[in-house]
Amino acid sequence: SQQGEEDPQALSIQEGENATMNCSYKTSINNLQWYRQNSGRGLVHLILIRSNEREKHSGRLRVTLDTSKKSSSLLITASRAADTASYFCASQGGSEKLVFGKGTKLTVNP
Amino acid sequence: EPEVTQTPSHQVTQMGQEVILRCVPISNHLYFYWYRQILGQKVEFLVSFYNNEISEKSEIFDDQFSVERPDGSNFTLKIRSTKLEDSAMYFCASSLSLNYGYTFGSGTRLTVV
Repeated sequence: SQQGEEDPQALSIQEGENATMNCSYKTSINNLQWYRQNSGRGLVHLILIRSNEREKHSGRLRVTLDTSKKSSSLLITASRAADTASYFCASQGGSEKLVFGKGTKLTVNP
Repeated sequence: EPEVTQTPSHQVTQMGQEVILRCVPISNHLYFYWYRQILGQKVEFLVSFYNNEISEKSEIFDDQFSVERPDGSNFTLKIRSTKLEDSAMYFCASSLSLNYGYTFGSGTRLTVV
C-alpha cells in the first residue's frame, strides 16, 4: 500500500454516530497529522500526534497511533452534518514535508 | 485567526504560458510549502522553503517550476511553460516549525487549456 493510505475510502453515517477512519504509513515518522478538506477548499489541520504518543484528544476528535503497526486512527464522536468532508492523514518523517494519503470521504446524514 | 492567503483563486492559462501563483504565509512562520492536488487525487508535495532557500523538492518540481520569497512576506510559485497536466489545485502552506501542523491556504485552481 502507499504511504498514508486511509480506509475506508468512503464512509456514510447518521448524525450522532461515531466515525472511525484508519491510516497506514510505510516509513518511520516524527509525527502523523490529520487534516479535513471541505469540497474544493483548503486543508484544515485537525490534530498532530508525535511518534512517542499513543493517543491524543481534541474536542470530539480522538487519534491513536501504533508505530509498531505503522497505523493511526481518527475517531469523530457524536458526528454532525457539518463534519461532512474528506479526511486525510499525513505523515512527517525525517524532513519537513508531509506525505498525504488518498483520504476518506465522510458523509454525515442529518 | 491568522490565515495563509492565496491569489488568484482561479487561473486559466494557455498551454506554454507562464503563470505565477501567489501566497502570503503567516507572518511568524518559518517554513513554507507548495502542494498540488489533481482533481480527485492525492495531495502531492512540490517544494519546501526555509531560510530563503529550497530545502526539499519532489520529482514533480522540475526545471519548469521555481519559487521565490521576494519581499519577506510573499511566497510565489512560477511555472515557466505550462502543460495540460499542470492543471490542478495548488496549495500554499506554512508552519512555525517542524513537528507543528501546517496552515494551508484556500488554493489556486489552475486550468491549462
